[in-house]
Amino acid sequence: GAVVSQHPSWVICKSGTSVKIECRSLDFQATTMFWYRQFPKQSLMLMATSNEGSKATYEQGVEKDKFLINHASLTLSTLTVTSAHPEDSSFYICSARDMGDRGMEQFFGPGTRLTVL
Amino acid sequence: RKEVEQDPGPFNVPEGATVAFNCTYSNSASQSFFWYRQDCRKEPKLLMSVYSSGNEDGRFTAQLNRASQYISLLIRDSKLSDSATYLCVVTSNTGGFKTIFGAGTRLFVKA
Repeated sequence: GAVVSQHPSWVICKSGTSVKIECRSLDFQATTMFWYRQFPKQSLMLMATSNEGSKATYEQGVEKDKFLINHASLTLSTLTVTSAHPEDSSFYICSARDMGDRGMEQFFGPGTRLTVL
Repeated sequence: RKEVEQDPGPFNVPEGATVAFNCTYSNSASQSFFWYRQDCRKEPKLLMSVYSSGNEDGRFTAQLNRASQYISLLIRDSKLSDSATYLCVVTSNTGGFKTIFGAGTRLFVKA
């Protein structure tokens, strides 16, 4: 199956710092990647849809200036959490759809656990 | 009303039991349906797609009822390793690709 990687897998940072998370599709090209956030015992919540070569589409209630998304190539999307605060501590997961004929299946990265002190 | 609703459980069953999960969705224009499995602190992994004709993969059977907007997952002969959270996932492609996750149903299989 298709493989999606994320880096880093976990990060601990001080309040006020910025954190960049990378999402890569390793064996396929992805025009569209998705960024989710999951708080403990809750489901995944879509934050934004990342489109290669264009601006990301953010879900209602997600601050685009705080969560910067860049999708510069067909295999890489980055999410930068700017001026992180403890309430941003969460499990961030990216997913990607294959440009090829794989239907509507999404392939998920392993997630990045962010802890803001 | 949530777009995708699941019984959160938890379901506590003994090994070898048969357990069924249900899911309902509100968007009649939804096009694709999946069950994902998520282990604690891990990413979701696709378990199986769901079709109106039914889909069986070993001990797992998934069913879709479009008229009732209802999806089910049946696990037979439960194993300890089946313990996880099962996510009902619904996608649509009208006005842009959109995926909605259910909150998940927690399953504990005990020896």
